[in-house]
Amino acid sequence: SAVISQKPSRDICQRGTSLTIQCQVDSQVTMMFWYRQQPGQSLTLIATANQGSEATYESGFVIDKFPISRPNLTFSTLTVSNMSPEDSSIYLCSALQGYYNEQFFGPGTRLTVL
Amino acid sequence: AQTVTQSQPEMSVQEAETVTLSCTYDTSENNYYLFWYKQPPSRQMILVIRQEAYKQQNATENRFSVNFQKAAKSFSLKISDSQLGDTAMYFCAFVDYGQNFVFGPGTRLSVLP
Repeated sequence: SAVISQKPSRDICQRGTSLTIQCQVDSQVTMMFWYRQQPGQSLTLIATANQGSEATYESGFVIDKFPISRPNLTFSTLTVSNMSPEDSSIYLCSALQGYYNEQFFGPGTRLTVL
Repeated sequence: AQTVTQSQPEMSVQEAETVTLSCTYDTSENNYYLFWYKQPPSRQMILVIRQEAYKQQNATENRFSVNFQKAAKSFSLKISDSQLGDTAMYFCAFVDYGQNFVFGPGTRLSVLP
Protein backbone atom coordinates (compact mmCIF):
# COMPACT_ATOMS: atom_id res chain seq x y z
CA SER A 1 0.00 0.00 0.00
CA ALA A 2 1.13 3.53 -0.77
CA VAL A 3 2.42 5.74 2.04
CA ILE A 4 1.46 9.37 1.61
CA SER A 5 2.83 12.42 3.41
CA GLN A 6 1.51 15.96 3.38
CA LYS A 7 3.08 19.27 4.31
CA PRO A 8 2.19 21.35 6.23
CA SER A 9 0.12 19.39 8.72
CA ARG A 10 -1.62 22.56 9.81
CA ASP A 11 -1.44 26.29 9.20
CA ILE A 12 -3.13 29.50 10.22
CA CYS A 13 -3.28 32.05 7.43
CA GLN A 14 -4.49 35.57 6.90
CA ARG A 15 -7.36 36.45 4.60
CA GLY A 16 -6.23 37.20 1.04
CA THR A 17 -3.05 35.13 1.15
CA SER A 18 -2.31 31.80 -0.52
CA LEU A 19 -1.09 28.47 0.82
CA THR A 20 0.48 25.60 -1.09
CA ILE A 21 0.03 22.09 0.25
CA GLN A 22 2.45 19.39 -0.81
CA CYS A 23 1.64 15.70 -1.20
CA GLN A 24 4.34 13.06 -1.59
CA VAL A 25 3.74 9.38 -2.37
CA ASP A 26 6.35 6.71 -1.73
CA SER A 27 5.64 4.95 -5.04
CA GLN A 28 4.56 5.90 -8.53
CA VAL A 29 0.82 6.33 -8.97
CA THR A 30 -1.24 7.39 -11.95
CA MET A 31 -4.11 9.18 -10.25
CA MET A 32 -3.98 11.52 -7.28
CA PHE A 33 -6.92 13.32 -5.73
CA TRP A 34 -7.46 16.38 -3.59
CA TYR A 35 -10.37 16.50 -1.14
CA ARG A 36 -11.79 18.99 1.30
CA GLN A 37 -13.35 17.80 4.54
CA GLN A 38 -15.12 19.71 7.26
CA PRO A 39 -14.66 18.13 10.71
CA GLY A 40 -17.14 15.30 11.17
CA GLN A 41 -18.28 15.48 7.57
CA SER A 42 -17.68 13.40 4.47
CA LEU A 43 -15.13 14.15 1.80
CA THR A 44 -15.73 16.58 -1.05
CA LEU A 45 -13.61 15.98 -4.12
CA ILE A 46 -11.88 19.12 -5.37
CA ALA A 47 -10.00 17.72 -8.34
CA THR A 48 -8.19 14.77 -9.87
CA ALA A 49 -4.53 15.31 -10.68
CA ASN A 50 -3.02 13.26 -13.48
CA GLN A 51 0.63 13.49 -14.41
CA GLY A 52 1.25 15.21 -17.72
CA SER A 53 -2.17 16.81 -18.04
CA GLU A 54 -4.25 19.51 -16.42
CA ALA A 55 -6.19 18.63 -13.33
CA THR A 56 -9.88 17.81 -13.68
CA TYR A 57 -11.99 19.94 -11.34
CA GLU A 58 -15.33 19.06 -9.81
CA SER A 59 -18.33 21.32 -9.99
CA GLY A 60 -17.89 24.30 -7.71
CA PHE A 61 -14.10 24.29 -7.80
CA VAL A 62 -12.05 26.31 -10.29
CA ILE A 63 -8.42 26.36 -11.29
CA ASP A 64 -7.91 30.01 -10.41
CA LYS A 65 -8.87 29.34 -6.81
CA PHE A 66 -7.29 25.88 -6.45
CA PRO A 67 -4.37 25.53 -8.88
CA ILE A 68 -2.86 22.06 -8.84
CA SER A 69 0.48 20.84 -10.08
CA ARG A 70 1.49 17.24 -10.82
CA PRO A 71 5.08 17.33 -12.04
CA ASN A 72 5.73 13.59 -11.70
CA LEU A 73 4.17 10.31 -10.62
CA THR A 74 4.94 10.71 -6.91
CA PHE A 75 4.20 14.37 -6.13
CA SER A 76 1.41 16.92 -6.32
CA THR A 77 0.63 20.32 -4.87
CA LEU A 78 -2.64 22.12 -4.20
CA THR A 79 -2.67 25.88 -3.74
CA VAL A 80 -5.54 27.59 -1.98
CA SER A 81 -5.49 31.12 -3.41
CA ASN A 82 -6.84 34.41 -2.09
CA MET A 83 -8.09 32.68 1.03
CA SER A 84 -11.17 33.63 3.00
CA PRO A 85 -12.47 32.18 6.29
CA GLU A 86 -14.78 29.92 4.24
CA ASP A 87 -11.67 28.07 3.04
CA SER A 88 -10.96 26.89 6.59
CA SER A 89 -11.10 23.12 6.36
CA ILE A 90 -9.06 19.93 6.27
CA TYR A 91 -7.44 19.24 2.91
CA LEU A 92 -6.63 15.64 2.07
CA CYS A 93 -4.65 14.19 -0.77
CA SER A 94 -4.97 10.60 -1.87
CA ALA A 95 -3.58 8.25 -4.48
CA LEU A 96 -5.21 5.48 -6.42
CA GLN A 97 -3.28 2.27 -6.37
CA GLY A 98 -3.64 -1.43 -6.65
CA TYR A 99 -5.69 -4.00 -8.46
CA TYR A 100 -8.81 -3.02 -6.57
CA ASN A 101 -8.60 0.71 -7.33
CA GLU A 102 -8.06 1.49 -3.68
CA GLN A 103 -7.42 5.01 -2.46
CA PHE A 104 -4.73 5.66 0.10
CA PHE A 105 -4.83 8.91 2.01
CA GLY A 106 -2.40 11.38 3.43
CA PRO A 107 -2.75 12.62 7.02
CA GLY A 108 -4.37 15.88 5.91
CA THR A 109 -3.65 19.59 6.28
CA ARG A 110 -5.77 21.55 8.73
CA LEU A 111 -6.14 25.08 7.42
CA THR A 112 -7.53 27.97 9.43
CA VAL A 113 -8.07 31.32 7.72
CA LEU A 114 -8.49 34.38 9.93
CA ALA B 1 -24.60 8.63 -11.22
CA GLN B 2 -23.59 6.38 -8.39
CA THR B 3 -24.66 7.23 -4.86
CA VAL B 4 -23.74 5.83 -1.45
CA THR B 5 -26.00 6.14 1.59
CA GLN B 6 -25.18 5.54 5.23
CA SER B 7 -28.38 5.87 7.20
CA GLN B 8 -26.81 5.92 10.66
CA PRO B 9 -25.05 9.25 11.34
CA GLU B 10 -23.97 8.11 14.81
CA MET B 11 -23.76 4.82 16.66
CA SER B 12 -22.37 3.60 19.92
CA VAL B 13 -21.41 0.18 21.22
CA GLN B 14 -20.08 -1.23 24.44
CA GLU B 15 -16.54 -2.50 24.44
CA ALA B 16 -16.35 -6.22 23.47
CA GLU B 17 -19.80 -6.13 21.87
CA THR B 18 -20.65 -6.45 18.17
CA VAL B 19 -21.92 -3.60 16.00
CA THR B 20 -23.14 -3.41 12.42
CA LEU B 21 -22.87 -0.30 10.26
CA SER B 22 -25.20 -0.02 7.29
CA CYS B 23 -24.44 1.08 3.75
CA THR B 24 -26.53 1.04 0.61
CA TYR B 25 -25.54 2.18 -2.84
CA ASP B 26 -27.07 2.76 -6.20
CA THR B 27 -25.41 1.94 -9.50
CA SER B 28 -26.23 0.54 -12.90
CA GLU B 29 -22.80 -1.07 -13.15
CA ASN B 30 -22.36 -4.80 -12.71
CA ASN B 31 -18.66 -4.76 -11.86
CA TYR B 32 -17.28 -2.58 -9.11
CA TYR B 33 -15.52 -2.57 -5.77
CA LEU B 34 -16.79 -1.58 -2.35
CA PHE B 35 -14.75 -0.41 0.60
CA TRP B 36 -15.04 0.57 4.22
CA TYR B 37 -12.65 3.25 5.40
CA LYS B 38 -11.96 4.24 9.00
CA GLN B 39 -10.98 7.75 10.07
CA PRO B 40 -10.00 7.94 13.76
CA PRO B 41 -10.03 11.29 15.55
CA SER B 42 -6.37 11.77 14.52
CA ARG B 43 -7.71 12.17 11.00
CA GLN B 44 -5.72 9.71 8.82
CA MET B 45 -8.10 7.67 6.70
CA ILE B 46 -7.25 3.99 6.47
CA LEU B 47 -8.76 1.13 4.50
CA VAL B 48 -10.55 -1.44 6.65
CA ILE B 49 -11.92 -3.93 4.16
CA ARG B 50 -12.72 -4.34 0.47
CA GLN B 51 -15.22 -6.40 -1.51
CA GLU B 52 -15.26 -7.26 -5.19
CA ALA B 53 -18.78 -7.20 -6.60
CA TYR B 54 -18.34 -10.36 -8.64
CA LYS B 55 -17.39 -12.36 -5.54
CA GLN B 56 -20.31 -13.77 -3.59
CA GLN B 57 -18.17 -14.63 -0.58
CA ASN B 58 -18.20 -11.92 2.06
CA ALA B 59 -14.84 -10.37 2.85
CA THR B 60 -13.34 -10.77 6.32
CA GLU B 61 -10.36 -9.04 7.96
CA ASN B 62 -9.81 -10.17 11.54
CA ARG B 63 -12.64 -8.63 13.60
CA PHE B 64 -14.14 -6.87 10.58
CA SER B 65 -16.50 -8.57 8.16
CA VAL B 66 -19.04 -7.47 5.61
CA ASN B 67 -22.48 -8.62 4.56
CA PHE B 68 -22.60 -7.97 0.83
CA GLN B 69 -26.02 -8.30 -0.80
CA LYS B 70 -25.54 -7.40 -4.45
CA ALA B 71 -29.18 -7.62 -5.49
CA ALA B 72 -30.21 -5.40 -2.62
CA LYS B 73 -27.19 -3.12 -3.18
CA SER B 74 -26.31 -3.39 0.47
CA PHE B 75 -22.85 -3.53 2.03
CA SER B 76 -22.85 -3.54 5.83
CA LEU B 77 -19.81 -3.71 8.09
CA LYS B 78 -19.77 -5.86 11.21
CA ILE B 79 -17.23 -5.17 13.93
CA SER B 80 -16.87 -7.98 16.44
CA ASP B 81 -15.34 -7.68 19.90
CA SER B 82 -15.34 -3.88 19.64
CA GLN B 83 -12.30 -2.11 21.05
CA LEU B 84 -11.82 1.47 22.19
CA GLY B 85 -9.51 1.99 19.23
CA ASP B 86 -12.42 1.32 16.88
CA THR B 87 -13.87 4.72 17.78
CA ALA B 88 -13.83 6.62 14.48
CA MET B 89 -15.79 7.86 11.52
CA TYR B 90 -16.51 5.03 9.10
CA PHE B 91 -17.03 5.74 5.42
CA CYS B 92 -18.52 3.34 2.91
CA ALA B 93 -17.14 3.86 -0.61
CA PHE B 94 -17.85 2.62 -4.12
CA VAL B 95 -15.60 2.61 -7.15
CA ASP B 96 -16.39 1.38 -10.63
CA TYR B 97 -13.92 0.06 -13.15
CA GLY B 98 -13.71 3.58 -14.58
CA GLN B 99 -12.14 4.63 -11.27
CA ASN B 100 -15.08 6.84 -10.34
CA PHE B 101 -15.03 6.96 -6.56
CA VAL B 102 -18.04 7.83 -4.37
CA PHE B 103 -17.96 8.14 -0.58
CA GLY B 104 -20.92 7.90 1.76
CA PRO B 105 -21.67 10.57 4.37
CA GLY B 106 -20.08 8.56 7.17
CA THR B 107 -21.12 6.99 10.47
CA ARG B 108 -19.55 8.19 13.69
CA LEU B 109 -18.94 5.16 15.92
CA SER B 110 -18.19 5.50 19.61
CA VAL B 111 -16.98 2.49 21.56
CA LEU B 112 -17.87 2.91 25.22
CA PRO B 113 -15.79 1.43 28.07
